Formats: sequence, structure tokens, C-alpha cells
Amino acid sequence: EPEVTQTPSHQVTQMGQEVILRCVPISNHLYFYWYRQILGQKVEFLVSFYNNEISEKSEIFDDQFSVERPDGSNFTLKIRSTKLEDSAMYFCASKGTGSVYGYTFGSGTRLTVV
Amino acid sequence: QQQVKQSPQSLIVQKGGISIINCAYENTAFDYFPWYQQFPGKGPALLIAIRPDVSEKKEGRFTISFNKSAKQFSLHIMDSQPGDSATYFCAASRGSGGSNYKLTFGKGTLLTVNP
Repeated sequence: EPEVTQTPSHQVTQMGQEVILRCVPISNHLYFYWYRQILGQKVEFLVSFYNNEISEKSEIFDDQFSVERPDGSNFTLKIRSTKLEDSAMYFCASKGTGSVYGYTFGSGTRLTVV
Repeated sequence: QQQVKQSPQSLIVQKGGISIINCAYENTAFDYFPWYQQFPGKGPALLIAIRPDVSEKKEGRFTISFNKSAKQFSLHIMDSQPGDSATYFCAASRGSGGSNYKLTFGKGTLLTVNP
């Protein structure tokens, strides 16, 4: 079964440092997403990406965040200057066209900011 | 208007019992209601989903009941098993009208099924 692959599985970074979280979506999917889950809380939408541009972003997704699809396979989330409150599990997801079904999440990257 | 409210926060059920988790939504534009199952250290995995044109959908031991007028939907797990122990999230989305299909999640229910 096709999978969404995320790397690394766990990243520890110093406050103020830049981090890049990487995702390889399912190959024929065209909608890409980042969600985050602070420990013990609900999964929250960060950003959606379609046709090589951001289609929607949440209030959480401020100027410190950016997304990129640098080639045909990778989808990245960059946090420019990490804060302690950025510590969370970050999930990448992708979806095929034409239906809200087929929404697949990766296993996540646990980001710890110290 | 974008909230999805989920209850209970945690649930303990004996093996073979019925687990029931409830959700309520506010945005009448939502037209897709999935349930996700999440095991520790893993991403949410789609369990079962329903559209508002039906009142119930069953897949094996899992059933969604949907009440459009009350804007509520629930997950029933029949014959609950210890392997069902996980966190369950309800979610809602607009699946049509040019939406980007983002999911709005409930806060989750930690289900523990005792052997």
C-alpha cells in the first residue's frame, strides 16, 4: 500500500535555529498538507499546497513557516527560527484528485525545541 | 464555526463491550466526516467515513451514525478488542465546491479496552 514518508522521525533543535522537515507524498497525489499535534492535543491544520502554491494556511502558519516542493517528489516544511512552542509532532499528508477520500498521513516528525 | 467538539476525552471499555464516541460540528458546509485511529508514535489512519446523505455506515465492527439536523455524528465500536486501544479522532471537511479539503479535527478520545 502506498505510504507518505517523513524524515527525520525525531529532531531536536536549539531555540532560534532553522529546521526543515521532509516528506515524500504518494506519487500520484496532487494535494499536500502539513498538520501538527502538540503533545496530548488535537491535530491542527497548518497549510495546504496544490498546483505548486499554498492554497490555504492557518493562523499558526506565520512568517516563520514556509513550504516548498523543490522537485517532483519531496514536500518540505521549514521553520526559520524555532520557538519552544513549536515543539510538536508534525504530520505530512497527501491526497489524490477528485475526492476527499484517499487522504493519507505520514508517521510524523517529532520536533523538540530546547 | 470551524470547531468540531468530541467527547468523551477518555473511555475505558471491557473486551466485548461497545465503545461509543460522539462528535458535534457547527459549520453546515462540512460534507465529509471521517474517523481516524491513531496509535502511539504513528500518524492518524482513516478508519471509516460518512457523507451527510446517509444516516449510518457500517464497516465490520465499526459504525458511524450521523444526525444531520442535530449536526452530530458518532462512532460505535462493537465487540471492542484490546487491539482497538488507541486514540480516535473525529474530523470534518468540505469535500466539494473548490475546497482544498482540509480536515478540522476533534480533540480526540483515548480508548482503552481491558482484556
